[in-house]
Amino acid sequence: GENVEQHPSTLSVQEGDSAVIKCTYSDSASNYFPWYKQELGKRPQLIIDIRSNVGEKKDQRIAVTLNKTAKHFSLHITETQPEDSAVYFCGPRSGGSYIPTFGRGTSLIVHP
Amino acid sequence: DTEVTQTPKHLVMGMTNKKSLKCEQHMGHRAMYWYKQKAKKPPELMFVYSYEKLSINESVPSRFSPECPNSSLLNLHLHALQPEDSALYLCASSQDKGLDYGYTFGSGTRLTVV
Repeated sequence: GENVEQHPSTLSVQEGDSAVIKCTYSDSASNYFPWYKQELGKRPQLIIDIRSNVGEKKDQRIAVTLNKTAKHFSLHITETQPEDSAVYFCGPRSGGSYIPTFGRGTSLIVHP
Repeated sequence: DTEVTQTPKHLVMGMTNKKSLKCEQHMGHRAMYWYKQKAKKPPELMFVYSYEKLSINESVPSRFSPECPNSSLLNLHLHALQPEDSALYLCASSQDKGLDYGYTFGSGTRLTVV
């Protein structure tokens, strides 16, 4: 099965700073790489994803980069705002299994 | 409609009770999932339904019984639960299995077993 590691487990930044969360996976057949955001007491929500034929994808202040050779992908948030405070989960999925393996989560705290 | 709707939002039940959780989506998604989430942990997969057939049971105890009456509905029947089963139960759906689509999660049912 897929082994997924997510770092850091906690990230504390000042408003306006950038934040980067990294997800490392083991299955070289993985071909879909999403990030989910879960605010306190709410559902996880897909915020950005990337597929294996693309190296980077941006959506306003968030971006995801993929390094298939090194088997990791990262979530980048620029100009962080207090409403970005949440737990972020990566969930890479192998082409042989349609079930994602979630990382353990990163608690992002943005201080005003 | 781009949502997954779960009811009830909160449930308190005794260890001898029988209750059901409900999940509904009208996005035409053909894969539906039950997840269990403990505080500060990632969601843990329980069951997967694909085209209304159970395709994955992650060794879940029989006190949890899933049901998929049709392509839009997913139920989770609960009986003789233990206090350690208290958690947030999330339903999710995706367009299909085997394809690179993300999940749409419901808001969850927060279950407390007393």
